[in-house]
Amino acid sequence: AQSVAQPEDQVNVAEGNPLTVKCTYSVSGNPYLFWYVQYPNRGLQFLLKYITGDNLVKGSYGFEAEFNKSQTSFHLKKPSALVSDSALYFCAVREHTGRRALTFGSGTRLQVQP
Amino acid sequence: GAGVSQTPSNKVTEKGKYVELRCDPISGHTALYWYRQSLGQGPEFLIYFQGTGAADDSGLPNDRFFAVRPEGSVSTLKIQRTERGDSAVYLCASSLGGAGGGSYNEQFFGPGTRLTVL
Repeated sequence: AQSVAQPEDQVNVAEGNPLTVKCTYSVSGNPYLFWYVQYPNRGLQFLLKYITGDNLVKGSYGFEAEFNKSQTSFHLKKPSALVSDSALYFCAVREHTGRRALTFGSGTRLQVQP
Repeated sequence: GAGVSQTPSNKVTEKGKYVELRCDPISGHTALYWYRQSLGQGPEFLIYFQGTGAADDSGLPNDRFFAVRPEGSVSTLKIQRTERGDSAVYLCASSLGGAGGGSYNEQFFGPGTRLTVL
């Protein structure tokens, strides 16, 4: 069975500071990993994905994520946070083979203070 | 271009009633997914279609839930004899398809239908 853990319910950061949103995963094979963002009353928006290759993945709006196989982590990062980044962030995983469905974490609320 | 659309955006019904939720995927996307998101939780998988057929319905909670995609485009999620515990946001997603587990295309989500069962 596959699972995702987002250990922080909320992350607070000052505008202009770097941010990290943590994610660890568990799958029996090689993972495909995704980050999505959810704004109030809107659907999930795709940010970035890791498939294979370079461990540092760059995505939309200046976000990036680092895949670490030994630590089974896929933390989301941004060098300089904006107030408009405040939203709910979800990490998701699926295996290379088998089920196509994504397994999501419980989400982390990012609050960027001006 | 147009994204995934879902109707209605909100649905209030009474316990025991039947409801249908509709999803219009992105044109050309052969894969379609339904998820359910309860308050404070991440989305939970319900069912996945590849074309017209349900390739994986292992997430459907019980036989009150059923989904169809008769022409390989629009999908309808049907819930019979609704219960208060069915209250949630129902999300639809689509992606470029491809058989087998090797397809790694990201899923694009619709805005969801908020179902409230009184």
